Amino acid sequence: GQQLNQSPQSMFIQEGEDVSMNCTSSSIFNTWLWYKQDPGEGPVLLIALYKAGELTSNGRLTAQFGITRKDSFLNISASIPSDVGIYFCARSNFGNEKLTFGTGTRLTIIP
Amino acid sequence: GAVVSQHPSRVICKSGTSVKIECRSLDFQATTMFWYRQFPKQSLMLMATSNEGSKATYEQGVEKDKFLINHASLTLSTLTVTSAHPEDSSFYICSARQGTNSPLHFGNGTRLTVT
Repeated sequence: GQQLNQSPQSMFIQEGEDVSMNCTSSSIFNTWLWYKQDPGEGPVLLIALYKAGELTSNGRLTAQFGITRKDSFLNISASIPSDVGIYFCARSNFGNEKLTFGTGTRLTIIP
Repeated sequence: GAVVSQHPSRVICKSGTSVKIECRSLDFQATTMFWYRQFPKQSLMLMATSNEGSKATYEQGVEKDKFLINHASLTLSTLTVTSAHPEDSSFYICSARQGTNSPLHFGNGTRLTVT
């Protein structure tokens, strides 16, 4: 099957640190999305990427769609306590509304 | 903005009983809704695509007779877990898209516990 792997699986950082996580696919796709999920809630869309090489920011978050169309990264600058949660990448193709989610990166902020 | 609402947020049922979960698009019409399942510490796995006015499309390995989906209107899809077993205990999340080029909006999920 089509795999969507995220790394790292978990991160333990101090408040104020920058965070970087990535997502790789075994296949090429046209859309990359990054979601954040808080405990007991549904995922919330952070950033959507539609073009290879595209770099998009949303506040302290920045994501890029890899040139090969097989990967994407998400950076969070100057982390704050509310950044805690699980970050999922997801991908789909045009005309196919089904999303496939990555394995997730759990972010924890150490006091 | 677009909102997707799920009900109930939590449900506990006995083994062998059936449970219905509702997914509503509150301020937009959704011809297509998606049902996902998430086990603890795992990712979201697509179960089925719910199509208004027609049969749902199920992903490989998902039993259509066990997970009944009804999408009777443009704002409501229901997932019924029939003859629930403890292994069906999971977090069920629905999603909907306002338009073809719009991002998916997710509900807040339903935590099902089967005792």
